[in-house]
Amino acid sequence: DTGVSQDPRHKITKRGQNVTFRCDPISEHNRLYWYRQTLGQGPEFLTYFQNEAQLEKSRLLSDRFSAERPKGSFSTLEIQRTEQGDSAMYLCASSLTPRVGSYNEQFFGPGTRLTVL
Amino acid sequence: ELKVEQNPLFLSMQEGKNYTIYCNYSTTSDRLYWYRQDPGKSLESLFVLLSNGAVKQEGRLMASLDTKARLSTLHITAAVHDLSATYFCALPRGFGSNDYKLSFGAGTTVTVRA
Repeated sequence: DTGVSQDPRHKITKRGQNVTFRCDPISEHNRLYWYRQTLGQGPEFLTYFQNEAQLEKSRLLSDRFSAERPKGSFSTLEIQRTEQGDSAMYLCASSLTPRVGSYNEQFFGPGTRLTVL
Repeated sequence: ELKVEQNPLFLSMQEGKNYTIYCNYSTTSDRLYWYRQDPGKSLESLFVLLSNGAVKQEGRLMASLDTKARLSTLHITAAVHDLSATYFCALPRGFGSNDYKLSFGAGTTVTVRA
Protein backbone atom coordinates (compact mmCIF):
# COMPACT_ATOMS: atom_id res chain seq x y z
CA ASP A 1 0.00 0.00 0.00
CA THR A 2 1.55 3.30 -1.04
CA GLY A 3 -0.91 5.65 0.67
CA VAL A 4 -0.38 7.88 3.69
CA SER A 5 0.08 5.90 6.89
CA GLN A 6 -0.22 6.99 10.49
CA ASP A 7 0.80 5.35 13.73
CA PRO A 8 -0.69 4.65 16.17
CA ARG A 9 -4.29 4.48 15.00
CA HIS A 10 -5.60 4.92 18.52
CA LYS A 11 -4.03 6.38 21.64
CA ILE A 12 -5.53 6.63 25.10
CA THR A 13 -3.58 8.64 27.61
CA LYS A 14 -4.01 10.33 30.94
CA ARG A 15 -4.14 14.07 31.29
CA GLY A 16 -0.66 15.52 31.67
CA GLN A 17 1.14 12.80 29.72
CA ASN A 18 3.07 13.42 26.51
CA VAL A 19 2.13 11.67 23.28
CA THR A 20 3.79 11.44 19.87
CA PHE A 21 2.22 10.50 16.57
CA ARG A 22 3.94 9.55 13.35
CA CYS A 23 2.93 10.13 9.74
CA ASP A 24 4.51 8.56 6.68
CA PRO A 25 3.45 10.41 3.53
CA ILE A 26 3.26 9.08 0.00
CA SER A 27 6.91 8.65 -0.89
CA GLU A 28 7.33 11.24 -3.62
CA HIS A 29 5.21 13.91 -1.92
CA ASN A 30 7.15 16.91 -0.69
CA ARG A 31 4.31 18.53 1.25
CA LEU A 32 2.93 17.18 4.49
CA TYR A 33 0.01 18.55 6.53
CA TRP A 34 -1.46 17.97 9.95
CA TYR A 35 -5.14 18.56 10.66
CA ARG A 36 -7.25 18.02 13.75
CA GLN A 37 -10.85 16.85 13.62
CA THR A 38 -13.19 16.90 16.59
CA LEU A 39 -16.48 15.06 16.71
CA GLY A 40 -19.07 16.47 14.35
CA GLN A 41 -16.70 18.97 12.76
CA GLY A 42 -14.60 19.22 9.65
CA PRO A 43 -10.82 18.94 9.87
CA GLU A 44 -8.95 22.07 10.97
CA PHE A 45 -5.50 22.91 9.65
CA LEU A 46 -2.69 22.72 12.20
CA THR A 47 0.58 22.97 10.31
CA TYR A 48 2.35 22.11 7.08
CA PHE A 49 5.80 21.23 5.82
CA GLN A 50 7.40 21.64 2.46
CA ASN A 51 10.23 19.14 2.52
CA GLU A 52 11.75 19.56 5.99
CA ALA A 53 10.73 23.20 6.45
CA GLN A 54 7.71 23.94 8.61
CA LEU A 55 6.14 26.82 6.71
CA GLU A 56 3.02 27.61 8.70
CA LYS A 57 1.54 26.89 12.08
CA SER A 58 -2.07 27.58 12.96
CA ARG A 59 -2.82 29.49 16.12
CA LEU A 60 -4.62 26.27 17.14
CA LEU A 61 -1.15 24.83 17.66
CA SER A 62 -0.34 25.93 21.18
CA ASP A 63 3.14 25.80 22.72
CA ARG A 64 2.39 22.29 23.90
CA PHE A 65 2.32 21.07 20.31
CA SER A 66 5.40 20.54 18.20
CA ALA A 67 5.79 18.99 14.78
CA GLU A 68 8.91 17.92 12.96
CA ARG A 69 9.84 16.50 9.61
CA PRO A 70 13.57 16.04 10.04
CA LYS A 71 14.56 14.54 6.72
CA GLY A 72 11.66 15.68 4.62
CA SER A 73 10.06 12.25 4.75
CA PHE A 74 8.06 11.14 7.80
CA SER A 75 6.74 13.61 10.33
CA THR A 76 5.99 13.49 14.05
CA LEU A 77 3.48 15.49 16.03
CA GLU A 78 4.09 15.67 19.77
CA ILE A 79 1.65 16.95 22.34
CA GLN A 80 3.09 17.70 25.75
CA ARG A 81 1.08 17.79 28.96
CA THR A 82 -2.08 16.58 27.25
CA GLU A 83 -5.43 18.07 28.21
CA GLN A 84 -8.90 16.63 27.75
CA GLY A 85 -9.55 19.23 25.08
CA ASP A 86 -6.83 17.63 22.96
CA SER A 87 -9.04 14.59 22.40
CA ALA A 88 -9.61 14.46 18.66
CA MET A 89 -8.68 12.68 15.46
CA TYR A 90 -5.32 13.86 14.16
CA LEU A 91 -5.12 13.56 10.40
CA CYS A 92 -2.04 13.71 8.25
CA ALA A 93 -2.12 14.45 4.54
CA SER A 94 0.47 14.76 1.83
CA SER A 95 0.71 16.24 -1.64
CA LEU A 96 3.05 17.44 -4.33
CA THR A 97 3.65 21.13 -4.85
CA PRO A 98 1.13 22.01 -7.55
CA ARG A 99 2.47 23.05 -10.91
CA VAL A 100 1.33 26.34 -12.38
CA GLY A 101 -2.30 25.94 -13.40
CA SER A 102 -2.68 22.73 -11.44
CA TYR A 103 -4.22 22.10 -8.07
CA ASN A 104 -3.13 20.76 -4.73
CA GLU A 105 -4.75 17.39 -4.19
CA GLN A 106 -4.15 16.27 -0.64
CA PHE A 107 -4.24 12.59 0.23
CA PHE A 108 -5.25 11.83 3.78
CA GLY A 109 -4.06 9.11 6.09
CA PRO A 110 -6.34 7.03 8.34
CA GLY A 111 -5.79 9.31 11.32
CA THR A 112 -4.78 8.82 14.94
CA ARG A 113 -7.64 9.02 17.39
CA LEU A 114 -6.48 10.49 20.69
CA THR A 115 -8.48 10.13 23.88
CA VAL A 116 -7.27 12.03 26.93
CA LEU A 117 -8.76 10.78 30.19
CA GLU B 1 -11.26 34.87 7.17
CA LEU B 2 -12.67 32.20 4.91
CA LYS B 3 -15.91 30.67 6.15
CA VAL B 4 -17.37 27.53 4.66
CA GLU B 5 -20.96 26.63 5.42
CA GLN B 6 -22.69 23.42 4.49
CA ASN B 7 -26.33 22.64 4.69
CA PRO B 8 -28.04 20.65 5.70
CA LEU B 9 -25.82 19.24 8.43
CA PHE B 10 -27.86 16.08 8.60
CA LEU B 11 -29.76 14.50 5.75
CA SER B 12 -31.96 11.44 5.97
CA MET B 13 -32.50 10.11 2.49
CA GLN B 14 -34.97 7.60 1.19
CA GLU B 15 -33.58 5.06 -1.24
CA GLY B 16 -34.27 5.97 -4.82
CA LYS B 17 -34.88 9.68 -4.27
CA ASN B 18 -32.76 12.68 -5.24
CA TYR B 19 -31.13 15.15 -2.85
CA THR B 20 -28.77 18.11 -2.87
CA ILE B 21 -26.12 19.28 -0.42
CA TYR B 22 -25.09 22.94 -0.51
CA CYS B 23 -21.73 24.50 0.24
CA ASN B 24 -21.47 28.28 0.56
CA TYR B 25 -18.23 30.10 1.13
CA SER B 26 -17.35 33.64 2.06
CA THR B 27 -14.35 34.71 -0.03
CA THR B 28 -13.19 34.38 -3.60
CA SER B 29 -11.90 30.98 -4.63
CA ASP B 30 -11.37 29.40 -7.99
CA ARG B 31 -11.47 25.82 -6.77
CA LEU B 32 -13.33 23.60 -4.39
CA TYR B 33 -12.93 20.03 -3.17
CA TRP B 34 -15.48 17.47 -2.06
CA TYR B 35 -14.52 14.64 0.29
CA ARG B 36 -16.35 11.66 1.73
CA GLN B 37 -15.71 10.25 5.19
CA ASP B 38 -17.07 6.96 6.51
CA PRO B 39 -17.44 6.63 10.30
CA GLY B 40 -14.06 6.28 11.99
CA LYS B 41 -12.24 6.48 8.69
CA SER B 42 -10.21 9.07 6.85
CA LEU B 43 -11.21 11.36 4.03
CA GLU B 44 -11.59 10.15 0.48
CA SER B 45 -11.38 12.67 -2.34
CA LEU B 46 -14.51 12.73 -4.48
CA PHE B 47 -14.23 15.76 -6.74
CA VAL B 48 -11.98 18.68 -7.53
CA LEU B 49 -13.82 21.61 -9.13
CA LEU B 50 -11.40 23.99 -10.78
CA SER B 51 -13.37 26.76 -12.40
CA ASN B 52 -16.65 28.58 -12.54
CA GLY B 53 -19.31 26.35 -14.05
CA ALA B 54 -17.30 23.18 -13.49
CA VAL B 55 -19.39 20.04 -13.25
CA LYS B 56 -18.08 16.61 -12.33
CA GLN B 57 -20.01 13.37 -12.13
CA GLU B 58 -19.16 9.99 -10.70
CA GLY B 59 -21.88 7.38 -10.47
CA ARG B 60 -24.83 8.80 -8.54
CA LEU B 61 -22.93 11.90 -7.41
CA MET B 62 -22.63 15.12 -9.35
CA ALA B 63 -20.86 18.25 -8.12
CA SER B 64 -20.94 21.75 -9.55
CA LEU B 65 -19.30 25.09 -8.78
CA ASP B 66 -20.60 28.63 -9.19
CA THR B 67 -17.77 30.94 -8.19
CA LYS B 68 -19.84 34.07 -8.67
CA ALA B 69 -22.46 32.88 -6.21
CA ARG B 70 -19.72 31.30 -4.02
CA LEU B 71 -21.74 28.11 -4.04
CA SER B 72 -21.11 24.47 -4.77
CA THR B 73 -23.71 21.74 -4.83
CA LEU B 74 -23.39 17.98 -4.49
CA HIS B 75 -26.36 16.27 -6.05
CA ILE B 76 -27.24 12.68 -5.23
CA THR B 77 -29.39 10.82 -7.72
CA ALA B 78 -31.48 7.81 -6.68
CA ALA B 79 -29.85 7.40 -3.28
CA VAL B 80 -28.60 3.97 -2.27
CA HIS B 81 -27.47 2.70 1.13
CA ASP B 82 -23.76 2.70 0.36
CA LEU B 83 -23.85 6.48 -0.04
CA SER B 84 -24.38 6.81 3.72
CA ALA B 85 -21.37 8.83 4.93
CA THR B 86 -20.35 12.35 5.87
CA TYR B 87 -19.60 14.68 2.98
CA PHE B 88 -17.31 17.67 3.31
CA CYS B 89 -16.58 20.54 1.00
CA ALA B 90 -13.24 22.31 1.38
CA LEU B 91 -11.54 25.32 -0.11
CA PRO B 92 -7.88 26.27 -0.27
CA ARG B 93 -6.84 29.47 1.42
CA GLY B 94 -4.38 30.36 -1.30
CA PHE B 95 -3.79 30.21 -5.03
CA GLY B 96 -1.32 28.36 -7.21
CA SER B 97 1.66 27.13 -5.22
CA ASN B 98 0.16 28.86 -2.18
CA ASP B 99 -2.81 26.51 -2.39
CA TYR B 100 -1.99 24.45 0.65
CA LYS B 101 -4.21 24.68 3.67
CA LEU B 102 -7.80 23.61 3.31
CA SER B 103 -10.77 25.10 5.12
CA PHE B 104 -13.51 22.55 5.57
CA GLY B 105 -17.21 22.89 6.10
CA ALA B 106 -18.76 21.17 9.11
CA GLY B 107 -19.89 18.26 6.97
CA THR B 108 -23.24 16.81 5.96
CA THR B 109 -24.01 13.45 7.53
CA VAL B 110 -26.09 11.41 5.13
CA THR B 111 -28.13 8.39 6.15
CA VAL B 112 -29.94 6.46 3.45
CA ARG B 113 -32.90 4.40 4.59
CA ALA B 114 -34.91 1.82 2.71
